[in-house]
Amino acid sequence: EIVLTQSPGTLSLSPGERATLSCRASQSVSSNFLAWYQQKPGQAPRLLIYDASSRATGIPDRFSGTGSGTDFTLTISSLEPEDFAVYYCQQYGSSPPNVFGQGTKLEIK
Amino acid sequence: QVQLQESGPGLVKPSETLSLTCTVSGGSISPHYWSWIRQPPGKGLEWIGYIYYSGSANYNSSLKSRVTMSVDTSKNQFSLNLNSVTAADTAVYYCARGGWYEDFWGQGTLVTVSS
Repeated sequence: EIVLTQSPGTLSLSPGERATLSCRASQSVSSNFLAWYQQKPGQAPRLLIYDASSRATGIPDRFSGTGSGTDFTLTISSLEPEDFAVYYCQQYGSSPPNVFGQGTKLEIK
Repeated sequence: QVQLQESGPGLVKPSETLSLTCTVSGGSISPHYWSWIRQPPGKGLEWIGYIYYSGSANYNSSLKSRVTMSVDTSKNQFSLNLNSVTAADTAVYYCARGGWYEDFWGQGTLVTVSS
């Protein structure tokens, strides 16, 4: 089973800054089948990125996903106040199970 | 816009069976995959499994011996049964569309396992 490790655990930034979140897999993710989700307190996760780099419907273009193999990155180019949340990566290339990372909390500095 | 709504008891006794149903509106349950995902309080996400509209399912190996999923296309619903629950099964349970990544999610329902 693939293990996903997200870093950092917590990222403290200010609105307008660039955020870079990392997701590293213990083995190569097949076909770059990796997704990113955003979760705000008391809400369900929201799909941001699938297939490593494809934005989901309605997701602003300040969110971008890159990477392949074992190393993936979610970048938010210029943080808006509503972007402060917890972010999870998920691999679905070697399924089941569809494994999630442990999350990165993006907080306001 | 597809919407999902979980329903079921919010409190289950230890050793009993947790049963939840997800009702899909704004779209058909076919020909999609449908998933259950849970999140213990203050913790991360755990994928439980998915079921295809035809009824074929795949489960997380860590839960496989206790999980059963089913689908009722006539009602546009799918369901989760988790037996022999313990306090470790206390979590918010989400239903979602998709068998790989999940693009539509229910709001989640908290299920507490306690006597």
